[in-house]
Amino acid sequence: EPEVTQTPSHQVTQMGQEVILRCVPISNHLYFYWYRQILGQKVEFLVSFYNNEISEKSEIFDDQFSVERPDGSNFTLKIRSTKLEDSAMYFCASKESGQNTGELFFGEGSRLTVL
Amino acid sequence: AQSVTQLGSHVSVSEGALVLLRCNYSSSVPPYLFWYVQYPNQGLQLLLKYTSAATLVKGINGFEAEFKKSETSFHLTKPSAHMSDAAEYFCAVSDRDNNDMRFGAGTRLTVKP
Repeated sequence: EPEVTQTPSHQVTQMGQEVILRCVPISNHLYFYWYRQILGQKVEFLVSFYNNEISEKSEIFDDQFSVERPDGSNFTLKIRSTKLEDSAMYFCASKESGQNTGELFFGEGSRLTVL
Repeated sequence: AQSVTQLGSHVSVSEGALVLLRCNYSSSVPPYLFWYVQYPNQGLQLLLKYTSAATLVKGINGFEAEFKKSETSFHLTKPSAHMSDAAEYFCAVSDRDNNDMRFGAGTRLTVKP
C-alpha cells in the first residue's frame, strides 16, 4: 500500500542550526502539507503546497521556515535557524486531489529536538 | 477559517464499555469533518469522514460518527471498547473554500481492563 515516508525519524540539533526534514509523498498525489505537533499538544497546520508553490500557510510558518519540492518526489521543510520552541513532531501529509473531501495521508513523523 | 473543539482531553473507559468522544465545529456552513487516530509513535490514520452524504458515518475498527447540524457536532462513538483502541483521537475540519485541514486538540482514550 502506498505510503508517505519521512526522514529522519528523529533529529537532535543545537539551537541556531539549520534543519531539513524530508518527505516522500504518495507518488500520484498533488497536494502536500506540513503539520507540527508539540509534545502533548494539538496537531497544528504549517503549510500547504501545490503546483510548486505555497497554497496556504499559518502564522507559525514565519520566515524561518521554507518548503521545497526539489526533484519531483521529495518534499522538504527547512528551518533556517532553529529555536528551542521548534522542538516538536513534524508530520508530512499528501492528498491526491484538490477536493476538500479528500483524505490526507500522513507520514509517521520526524521528531525534532532542539537543545 | 473553520475550527473544531474537542471536549475532554482525556477519556477513560472500561473494556467493553461505550466510547464517546466529542467534537463540535464552528461554522454556519457545514464543513467536511474527519476523525483521525494516532497510535503511540505513529502518524495519523483516518478513521472516518463526513462529506455531506449520510449523516451517520461508519469507519474502521467499529467506530462511527454522526453529523448533527442542529448541534454543530460530530461525535465519535464505538459500542464496545477494546484495549487496542487506546490512542489519541483527533477531530479535523476541512474548509469548503480552502484546501487545508485543521485539527482539534485531541482526546486521549485510555481503556481499562
